[in-house]
Amino acid sequence: AQSVTQLDSQVPVFEEAPVELRCNYSSSVSVYLFWYVQYPNQGLQLLLKYLSGSTLVKGINGFEAEFNKSQTSFHLRKPSVHISDTAEYFCAVSYQTGANNLFFGTGTRLTVIP
Amino acid sequence: KAGVTQTPRYLIKTRGQQVTLSCSPISGHRSVSWYQQTPGQGLQFLFEYFSETQRNKGNFPGRFSGRQFSNSRSEMNVSTLELGDSALYLCASSKNRRDTGELFFGEGSRLTVL
Repeated sequence: AQSVTQLDSQVPVFEEAPVELRCNYSSSVSVYLFWYVQYPNQGLQLLLKYLSGSTLVKGINGFEAEFNKSQTSFHLRKPSVHISDTAEYFCAVSYQTGANNLFFGTGTRLTVIP
Repeated sequence: KAGVTQTPRYLIKTRGQQVTLSCSPISGHRSVSWYQQTPGQGLQFLFEYFSETQRNKGNFPGRFSGRQFSNSRSEMNVSTLELGDSALYLCASSKNRRDTGELFFGEGSRLTVL
């Protein structure tokens, strides 16, 4: 079955500390991976994407993620978080080229503590 | 450049009624996708339209339908509303189908069914 698992529903972290949000996906020949962020009462915003090429991808706001095919993971990292990073983060996968029917994980609520 | 606009932002309906939600994509974007977001099921894909044609459909009953107009604006309709249809309905647009998964989301239409 096609699915995405975000192992942590909530992650509290102190300001300026590093953070990693975990994401695993069900394996397929072709996968396209994404991280989206949702701030309160807003829609989702694309943070970064992996379509092909380098397995380390950099996104907006200092976030990066690494595609690990053998572990079917796509964990999101930031070396130093800010209060403004407090939000819900969603990992998503597409199994089709040129299709926008994404499978989303259940989300990880990141809370940055001052 | 204006973002994705969804109307109405909030609405309350009673069981058995029907509802129509509207989405105006970013200018120049030709693909529109719809997602349902609930606390229990998370984000689930409803359907995707491109050039007025439905390209993909999620696993929702036939009560959920949509369409896209020649100016790329899209509407979705839910007939015979049920309590479980209460959700945030998100519309997302993308420039074309080559930009797999690179979606720009609106702020959503929050539907409450009483």
